[in-house]
Amino acid sequence: GAGVSQSPRYKVAKRGQDVALRCDPISGHVSLFWYQQALGQGPEFLTYFQNEAQLDKSGLPSDRFFAERPEGSVSTLKIQRTQQEDSAVYLCASSPVRGFNYGYTFGSGTRLTVV
Amino acid sequence: SQQGEEDPQALSIQEGENATMNCSYKTSINNLQWYRQNSGRGLVHLILIRSNEREKHSGRLRVTLDTSKKSSSLLITASRAADTASYFCATGNQFYFGTGTSLTVIP
Repeated sequence: GAGVSQSPRYKVAKRGQDVALRCDPISGHVSLFWYQQALGQGPEFLTYFQNEAQLDKSGLPSDRFFAERPEGSVSTLKIQRTQQEDSAVYLCASSPVRGFNYGYTFGSGTRLTVV
Repeated sequence: SQQGEEDPQALSIQEGENATMNCSYKTSINNLQWYRQNSGRGLVHLILIRSNEREKHSGRLRVTLDTSKKSSSLLITASRAADTASYFCATGNQFYFGTGTSLTVIP
């Protein structure tokens, strides 16, 4: 597609509920990143995929967070047993090259509110 | 875990004035990037400067990089109301962002 698409745009979850956030990167983009952005803060790195391989997941805050990109295109970030501190905007970005030496295209994000 | 730190945290200027914001970082880098984020939106890539470059221009944007001081600056010349946004620098192998500079351009 023309840009990085994320869905849903907004999600309200009850505490303890599982959620799945979707990212459609630009077609053919090799690299895909997930970030978490709390209100008034900069994005915090969560995880990085190169094609279908999850090369870095050091930013995932707990084992309740899980990300996958099984066919090297669409990615899903899953959060199990959501907590209030998970409330944030989750941003996805993609790049046509491997690694970190190229400008990324970001989606508009999914705003998750845990009540 | 955020390696880049922007300053000032907030900046308010009149339309037509220049805006300068700074970024400091902690470890050696391959490149440094600047992004803009409008309220409620994703980040937009503005410019990438490599570690062997000292200055780069793109339209009304001018970026400098001083690797000896581990700092970078972003200058926006002849600002417009549409430049109102948060600006972030990003560094490092894991693409760390700072907390951003919130720029308000008053028409």
